[in-house]
Amino acid sequence: AQSVAQPEDQVNVAEGNPLTVKCTYSVSGNPYLFWYVQYPNRGLQFLLKYITGDNLVKGSYGFEAEFNKSQTSFHLKKPSALVSDSALYFCAVRDINAGNMLTFGGGTRLMVKP
Amino acid sequence: EAEVAQSPRYKITEKSQAVAFWCDPISGHATLYWYRQILGQGPELLVQFQDESVVDDSQLPKDRFSAERLKGVDSTLKIQPAELGDSAMYLCASSPGGAGDTEAFFGQGTRLTVV
Repeated sequence: AQSVAQPEDQVNVAEGNPLTVKCTYSVSGNPYLFWYVQYPNRGLQFLLKYITGDNLVKGSYGFEAEFNKSQTSFHLKKPSALVSDSALYFCAVRDINAGNMLTFGGGTRLMVKP
Repeated sequence: EAEVAQSPRYKITEKSQAVAFWCDPISGHATLYWYRQILGQGPELLVQFQDESVVDDSQLPKDRFSAERLKGVDSTLKIQPAELGDSAMYLCASSPGGAGDTEAFFGQGTRLTVV
């Protein structure tokens, strides 16, 4: 069975500072990894994904994420946080040997303060 | 830009009543997902379709929930009877299918309140 863990319920950061939102995963095979963002009463918006190749992937709104196979992690990062980045962030995984099942973590609330 | 359409956006129903949600995925997307999201938590998969076939419904409470995608296009999720604990956001998503390396696209969701 595949699973995702987001160990922090909330991350607080000051505007202009770098941010990291943590994600670890568990799959039996090789993973496809995704990050989504959710604003209040809205659906999930895709940010970025890791499929293969370079371990550092870049996505929307200046976000990037680093795939680390040995640590089974896929942390989301941004060099300089904006107040408008405040939202709920979800990490998700697909095991490439398990069809198209997409499993989400519990989410991390990012609060960026001015 | 193509979007996943869901209706209604909001639904208030009394417990023991029946309620239904509709989803129209992006055209050509073979995989369709229904997720339930309790406020402040991550989405939990209820059912996954590949075309008109159910791929996974292991987390669907089958005594009260049903889902169909008869022609492999749009889909309906039904709850009968609704219970107070069913209050949540119901999200529909679709993806092209195939190798699984394409992200899923989400609709705006249906916020269900059971009173």
